[in-house]
Amino acid sequence: GQNIDQPTEMTATEGAIVQINCTYQTSGFNGLFWYQQHAGEAPTFLSYNVLDGLEEKGRFSSFLSRSKGYSYLLLKELQMKDSASYLCAVRNSGGYQKVTFGTGTKLQVIP
Amino acid sequence: EPEVTQTPSHQVTQMGQEVILRCVPISNHLYFYWYRQILGQKVEFLVSFYNNEISEKSEIFDDQFSVERPDGSNFTLKIRSTKLEDSAMYFCASIGQGGYTEAFFGQGTRLTVV
Repeated sequence: GQNIDQPTEMTATEGAIVQINCTYQTSGFNGLFWYQQHAGEAPTFLSYNVLDGLEEKGRFSSFLSRSKGYSYLLLKELQMKDSASYLCAVRNSGGYQKVTFGTGTKLQVIP
Repeated sequence: EPEVTQTPSHQVTQMGQEVILRCVPISNHLYFYWYRQILGQKVEFLVSFYNNEISEKSEIFDDQFSVERPDGSNFTLKIRSTKLEDSAMYFCASIGQGGYTEAFFGQGTRLTVV
């Protein structure tokens, strides 16, 4: 089975940097996704890590350590529109590539 | 940019009625999924579909649920006799072949059972 843990809520200030952590336990691992989800909308893709290390994409970076079962999403220069839920999701290494989501971290950006 | 499309965007139905939620995945994708998200809760896996059959399903996906890919393009989720607790957002997703591919999500169908 899989177990994915994230903090439930976080608050950060506009212009600051915030790090959202995710730990996972899985019987087979084939990558970790980060998605952003605004209320009432579908998740939108942010990043995908399958190898250890940091992937940078503009204001967003994602880090993975497979040996520790750990990832984080780093958001820089926070903007008010970054207020959303951030979902960590793990992809199985099995034939059917199932993606399992964590509970999500609700980020509130304040002025 | 390719996208997954879902219809309808919002469906209201009476308890006990059957509903069919429709999805058109990205055309060359191989793996198809349904997820649901009850308001304020996490995105929950329902079922995965590969090679024209169910490959995995969760405990939520009981006998009231079924999926079909009737014509090679549409991917449907049927709920035979809806219950109040089936009210949720239902998301369809697809993944292509290859290692470095994201799961593409449709915009969701908001199902309200009254």
